[in-house]
Amino acid sequence: GQQLNQSPQSMFIQEGEDVSMNCTSSSIFNTWLWYKQDPGEGPVLLIALYKAGELTSNGRLTAQFGITRKDSFLNISASIPSDVGIYFCAGSGVWNFGNEKLTFGTGTRLTIIP
Amino acid sequence: NAGVTQTPKFQVLKTGQSMTLQCAQDMNHEYMSWYRQDPGMGLRLIHYSVGAGITDQGEVPNGYNVSRSTTEDFPLRLLSAAPSQTSVYFCASSYSSWAGETQYFGPGTRLLVL
Repeated sequence: GQQLNQSPQSMFIQEGEDVSMNCTSSSIFNTWLWYKQDPGEGPVLLIALYKAGELTSNGRLTAQFGITRKDSFLNISASIPSDVGIYFCAGSGVWNFGNEKLTFGTGTRLTIIP
Repeated sequence: NAGVTQTPKFQVLKTGQSMTLQCAQDMNHEYMSWYRQDPGMGLRLIHYSVGAGITDQGEVPNGYNVSRSTTEDFPLRLLSAAPSQTSVYFCASSYSSWAGETQYFGPGTRLLVL
C-alpha cells in the first residue's frame, strides 16, 4: 500500500520560532492535506492542496504541494503556545471505484518549551 | 450543531468480549468512516460508508463490522475483542467521499483490551 514518511517525528521549540515539517510519499498523490490534533481531540483540517506546485496559507501556516506530487511541507511562523499538538499530513489517490482513500503520515509532535 | 459525536470516550474490555462504538453526525453528511490511531502510526481506515445502506472495507477491516441504517449513525462493532485492538478510534464524516472534502472528526474512543 501507499506509505507516507513524515518528519521530523517530534520538535521542541521556543515560542516565537518558525517550524517546518514535511511528508514524502512512495507514490503520486492527487491531494495533500494537513491536519492538527490537539491532546484528547480528533484531527482538524488546517490546509488542503489540490495541484502540484500550489502554495497555500492559512494565517501563520503555509503549505506547499510538491512539484513531483510525492511530497508536501508545512511551515508555521512565529509559533505560539496554542500551536502545540500533533500535525499529520495526509494524501489521497484514487482507490476503489473512484472513492478516494486518504493515507495519513505518522505525525509530527510539536512541543513549545517555556 | 453537535458535529460528530462518539460514545463511549473510554472503554476497557476483556479478550473475547464484544462491543459497539457509537458514532453520530448531525451535518447530513453522506460519507462516514472509522479510523484507528496507534502510537507511531498514522490513522488507518477501518471501514467507510458513502451513504445509508452502503459500506465497504478500508485498510484494516479484520475483526470489525459496520452498518449504516441511517445517514446520521455509523456504529463500529468489535466482534471478539483482542489485545491488538487496543487503540484510539476516530469516526469522521464529510459531505462526499472526495478526499479534498473537509472531514470532521469526533473526539475519539480510547479502547483498552486486556
